[in-house]
Amino acid sequence: KAGVTQTPRYLIKTRGQQVTLSCSPISGHRSVSWYQQTPGQGLQFLFEYFSETQRNKGNFPGRFSGRQFSNSRSEMNVSTLELGDSALYLCASSAIGGRGNIQYFGAGTRLSVL
Amino acid sequence: SQQGEEDPQALSIQEGENATMNCSYKTSINNLQWYRQNSGRGLVHLILIRSNEREKHSGRLRVTLDTSKKSSSLLITASRAADTASYFCATDPPNSGYALNFGKGTSLLVTP
Repeated sequence: KAGVTQTPRYLIKTRGQQVTLSCSPISGHRSVSWYQQTPGQGLQFLFEYFSETQRNKGNFPGRFSGRQFSNSRSEMNVSTLELGDSALYLCASSAIGGRGNIQYFGAGTRLSVL
Repeated sequence: SQQGEEDPQALSIQEGENATMNCSYKTSINNLQWYRQNSGRGLVHLILIRSNEREKHSGRLRVTLDTSKKSSSLLITASRAADTASYFCATDPPNSGYALNFGKGTSLLVTP
């Protein structure tokens, strides 16, 4: 089975722009989670989708949004980029999500905001 | 928010030695997982231990869980240079919904 695929791998944007990141989960996985990783804050949970529904959201401003499509692929969008949004964005999929489920991570998208 | 705290933040050992990393957490949990991350890449799941388990083994990995102390340890025996990575513990407390709460990780360097 192919792993979790995230595109693009690297992205450079300027302040005020918006960005869309894409995640294709492992085939058959219905849960997709997104995390932001920075040196200062570590890994922070953004949101989780299951069958096109957002089930849980982390403590991030409304500029961060996401969605999941019927084929379980997911996108996250960040509008009005700020310098502090520079981070590695990781997507993870699991069969059904929830407690006790192993998450499989993609290689991440490294976003640099200038 | 960070639930787990790994200790030490950084660890440097030589090949063949054992590496021990600790994780402490704040609230009750259902499960605790350990993940590895090679430099700037995605995380790889290593092992999951449930709250009613005390010890678990997988190859060269040994994980212990002490729910009374709210702590876990990861032991890597006979370390190899390829074990060089950051190691994170992740918990799913009852109020976390479907999120994993990660610690800030232990950076392990194994030198030949």
